[in-house]
Amino acid sequence: EPEVTQTPSHQVTQMGQEVILRCVPISNHLYFYWYRQILGQKVEFLVSFYNNEISEKSEIFDDQFSVERPDGSNFTLKIRSTKLEDSAMYFCASSDDRGLAGELFFGEGSRLTVL
Amino acid sequence: AQSVAQPEDQVNVAEGNPLTVKCTYSVSGNPYLFWYVQYPNRGLQFLLKYITGDNLVKGSYGFEAEFNKSQTSFHLKKPSALVSDSALYFCAVRDMNRDDKIIFGKGTRLHILP
Repeated sequence: EPEVTQTPSHQVTQMGQEVILRCVPISNHLYFYWYRQILGQKVEFLVSFYNNEISEKSEIFDDQFSVERPDGSNFTLKIRSTKLEDSAMYFCASSDDRGLAGELFFGEGSRLTVL
Repeated sequence: AQSVAQPEDQVNVAEGNPLTVKCTYSVSGNPYLFWYVQYPNRGLQFLLKYITGDNLVKGSYGFEAEFNKSQTSFHLKKPSALVSDSALYFCAVRDMNRDDKIIFGKGTRLHILP
């Protein structure tokens, strides 16, 4: 069964450092998302991406965050200068239907710890 | 903007008993509604969704949910709980007329007692 894969599974970084989280969505999917979850609690929307551009972003997704689809398979989330409060589990998701009935398929997550 | 409320932080049910996990939503347009389950240290797994048609939808692992437009609810149910159902459950909504993002509730921890 096709799945969304994420790397790394866990990253520890110092405050102020840049971090890149990588995702390989399901191959025929067209819509891509990043969510985050702090301390196993609420799942928060960060950004959605379609046709090589951001389609929607939340207020969490400020200038320190960026996303990119550098080739036909990877979808990355970059945090330019990490803060302590960026510590969370980051989930990538993909969907083959936009704004319609399609559910999101999630990866297993990348745990980011900022010291 | 759309929102989802899960009023219970935790629900405890004895194994074999029916379970209900509550969810209410708010959207300006028509909703697409979803339930996801999360096991410890895992990603979110899709359980079921309501798009249109029958108000009662059936999903994975014997779960079902009932869409109630007048009460703006989408409660998750199962007739007979299993210990293996213990997990964190998230209700989610997408406003089909506005956005492509799905907004999640805060989650309800379901604990099935053997």
